[in-house]
Amino acid sequence: QSALAQPASVSGSPGQAISISCTGTSSDVGGYNCVSWYQQRPGHTPKVVLYDVTNRAPGVSNRFSGSKSGITASLTISGLQAEDEGDYYCSSCTGSSTLIFGGGTKLTVL
Amino acid sequence: QVQLVQSGAELKKPGASVRLSCKTSGYPFTEQYIHWVRQAPGQGLEWMGWFNPNSGATREAQKFQGRVTMTGDTSINTAYMGLGSLRSDDAAVYYCARSFARWLQLAPGDYWGQGTLLTVSS
Repeated sequence: QSALAQPASVSGSPGQAISISCTGTSSDVGGYNCVSWYQQRPGHTPKVVLYDVTNRAPGVSNRFSGSKSGITASLTISGLQAEDEGDYYCSSCTGSSTLIFGGGTKLTVL
Repeated sequence: QVQLVQSGAELKKPGASVRLSCKTSGYPFTEQYIHWVRQAPGQGLEWMGWFNPNSGATREAQKFQGRVTMTGDTSINTAYMGLGSLRSDDAAVYYCARSFARWLQLAPGDYWGQGTLLTVSS
């Protein structure tokens, strides 16, 4: 099973909003509302920012939001801040109770 | 506090096997799945499988079926991941991670081990 498709990189200026897409299939993203998003800063382990498509993990800023349409989920970060810089990964459960990650997106705050 | 502490770095030859450990503390070990995730140098996250400490059930990514073994010892709150027939492209940092919550087991949460570096070289 191939990784979920994410753009390799996105960038934005402080204060702007950016979105990161995560495209799968009807067997994962499109079939279940179990998409999660992780932020990984250099040298750190991943941190959950969203779970079940739209829910923010405890302590996560309300600048982070999620959505899904068909086989594509999206993470939107509004009011971009320097501390948001890092790699972002989506994940989705599948019908066989497995998990699949996206390839990751490097977010650069200009 | 919740902690997951992994075993130290390993150097293995191609074709060999390795077993990594993940000692947990600070929560009831049997209540949440342990996920195994690896990250090759400069690459993304790759999910390998989960282990249910309560039942001993496991589920692996298709890519690793037949080559990975996930087990646990509830007496010492430790999970293990074994990987056989090692190849050079198995070189990576291997992480264990607790599931997000008891009601959301099919996703790693915020508690991860520090990672174990596996080097595969002759």
